[in-house]
Amino acid sequence: LAKTTQPISMDSYEGQEVNITCSHNNIATNDYITWYQQFPSQGPRFIIQGYKTKVTNEVASLFIPADRKSSTLSLPRVSLSDTAVYYCLVGDGTGGFKTIFGAGTRLFVKA
Amino acid sequence: DAGVIQSPRHEVTEMGQEVTLRCKPISGHDYLFWYRQTMMRGLELLIYFNNNVPIDDSGMPEDRFSAKMPNASFSTLKIQPSEPRDSAVYFCASSLVGARTDTQYFGPGTRLTVL
Repeated sequence: LAKTTQPISMDSYEGQEVNITCSHNNIATNDYITWYQQFPSQGPRFIIQGYKTKVTNEVASLFIPADRKSSTLSLPRVSLSDTAVYYCLVGDGTGGFKTIFGAGTRLFVKA
Repeated sequence: DAGVIQSPRHEVTEMGQEVTLRCKPISGHDYLFWYRQTMMRGLELLIYFNNNVPIDDSGMPEDRFSAKMPNASFSTLKIQPSEPRDSAVYFCASSLVGARTDTQYFGPGTRLTVL
């Protein structure tokens, strides 16, 4: 089964760019990489998804190297409201539709 | 759309009692997922359905857990008998096509406390 590894926690200050890297050595050929954000007492919320190279939306950017064994979520100019847990998600390495959440990275943004 | 709806939002029960959690997925979504979240184990996938049919229940911890999806707009997760170690937040999520490439939309969760 494909597993992910992320830093347990990160601290940042308002206005800074935050980069969170996720390792997924056993990612399958057809699997996508998806990042979710979770606030306390809420369910996870989709942020961004990609397959290779770079993807950008109004919230974040996702960088994926050619070997796809890792990915980096980039949050530009974070604010206090970006304090949350961020999950890196990849498809099941066996090829099924089951997805496996990583342990998540707890980001704390300080004023 | 109202999003994924879960009920109840909070449930407190005593050990040995039956607990039923409910979920209404987003209309038109053909995948439904049940997750459990605890501090120790994080977010775990318990079971998922495709077009009301259970596809993979390998994450269901024990025979005390069962899930059904009688129609496209309703699913239940039942624990019988409940135990204190079942205390967790249970999330339901739905997806339009499939887990790997499509966004999962999560409900607000049910916080279960078993005394």
